Amino acid sequence: NAGVTQTPKFQVLKTGQSMTLQCAQDMNHNSMYWYRQDPGMGLRLIYYSASEGTTDKGEVPNGYNVSRLNKREFSLRLESAAPSQTSVYFCATVLYEQYFGPGTRLTVT
Amino acid sequence: AQSVSQHNHHVILSEAASLELGCNYSYGGTVNLFWYVQYPGQHLQLLLKYFSGDPLVKGIKGFEAEFIKSKFSFNLRKPSVQWSDTAEYFCAAYSSSGTYKYIFGTGTRLKVLA
Repeated sequence: NAGVTQTPKFQVLKTGQSMTLQCAQDMNHNSMYWYRQDPGMGLRLIYYSASEGTTDKGEVPNGYNVSRLNKREFSLRLESAAPSQTSVYFCATVLYEQYFGPGTRLTVT
Repeated sequence: AQSVSQHNHHVILSEAASLELGCNYSYGGTVNLFWYVQYPGQHLQLLLKYFSGDPLVKGIKGFEAEFIKSKFSFNLRKPSVQWSDTAEYFCAAYSSSGTYKYIFGTGTRLKVLA
């Protein structure tokens, strides 16, 4: 079992470009989360999905959209990237504890 | 408001020293508590968790944590640290009676000197 996978691992964007971060899980969990991690700020929740077909805003949703395509996949979209979105993005599934993907390191220039 | 606080942002210890990292939470209702570790360049992994029962919880790699309800605390301890414990440690809380949201502390960066 792969657990939680994320693509891409690294990405560089120019300001204003768009992209979608992909997350997939084979753990059959209902809940999936997207976080961003910045130095000194811990993990901040961007969006989460308690089950297939539902999504909710977290602490820092501005500038992002999500899609829960099916139970396995939960994607995060940046419509118009900004330098403030330079960060490491983690996807996680939740069944009491959290299971994290390997992360996507995004740089916006 | 719900929150998790970690007061030590950076800790430097020598090998074999004892470790205690503080974590305080502010949550209403039933709360589940976790410690996660993030080794350099890796993703977060679960160290230990508390749901109910014995307030002293043992985790992997010799770590333990004590839930003290009266102090709203869940401090992480290890009697003797090793160089390989160099990592960032995150306390987290989850309310089973609320929405499906976790809250993480801002993390404590531990450096162990060989």
